[in-house]
Amino acid sequence: KNEVEQSPQNLTAQEGEFITINCSYSVGISALHWLQQHPGGGIVSLFMLSSGKKKHGRLIATINIQEKHSSLHITASHPRDSAVYICAVRVEGNDMRFGAGTRLTVKP
Amino acid sequence: KAGVTQTPRYLIKTRGQQVTLSCSPISGHRSVSWYQQTPGQGLQFLFEYFSETQRNKGNFPGRFSGRQFSNSRSEMNVSTLELGDSALYLCASSLVSNQPQHFGDGTRLSIL
Repeated sequence: KNEVEQSPQNLTAQEGEFITINCSYSVGISALHWLQQHPGGGIVSLFMLSSGKKKHGRLIATINIQEKHSSLHITASHPRDSAVYICAVRVEGNDMRFGAGTRLTVKP
Repeated sequence: KAGVTQTPRYLIKTRGQQVTLSCSPISGHRSVSWYQQTPGQGLQFLFEYFSETQRNKGNFPGRFSGRQFSNSRSEMNVSTLELGDSALYLCASSLVSNQPQHFGDGTRLSIL
């Protein structure tokens, strides 16, 4: 079993829909990251969380440390949000572990 | 402010050769991490450097090595290349460890 599990693997939505991507992890962490990767490979760091909730524009990320779970929400989705979203955790005092990613397609 | 710069962008090598990839972090960033991305394994952590010292290392064979210079620029080296080393190699920098990272566009390495 992977230490970082994401769901769903693939997600197709219509423009304007509210989207949720989930991440569960099984190791102790010092921080959790949400990354966005567009076709062509470029990766952008969206959020780094160690507790609570963060918001940036239409994106919201939450983390529940006790339940070892994080969610990434996209409100009013747009075709430009189409990308792969990757959950990554910084294992306490050690390296980074990654989820397999969620491929999001937003149709106009 | 210039972003993270990785060179070269594309590289083709043959089995048994060795390769050196370069990463110039954002000015002022002292932490540099390297990652390998393949279709089968996804993203995997290679190593992290901070102030010229390797802080963490992922589960990769000794053929994979790296270093960081006093100006924070970093290189990674892969010796005795294998077909399975074909991947996108990504570098990311941050001010210090465990801070939001800024990624380069990567070096796509193909092994023939």
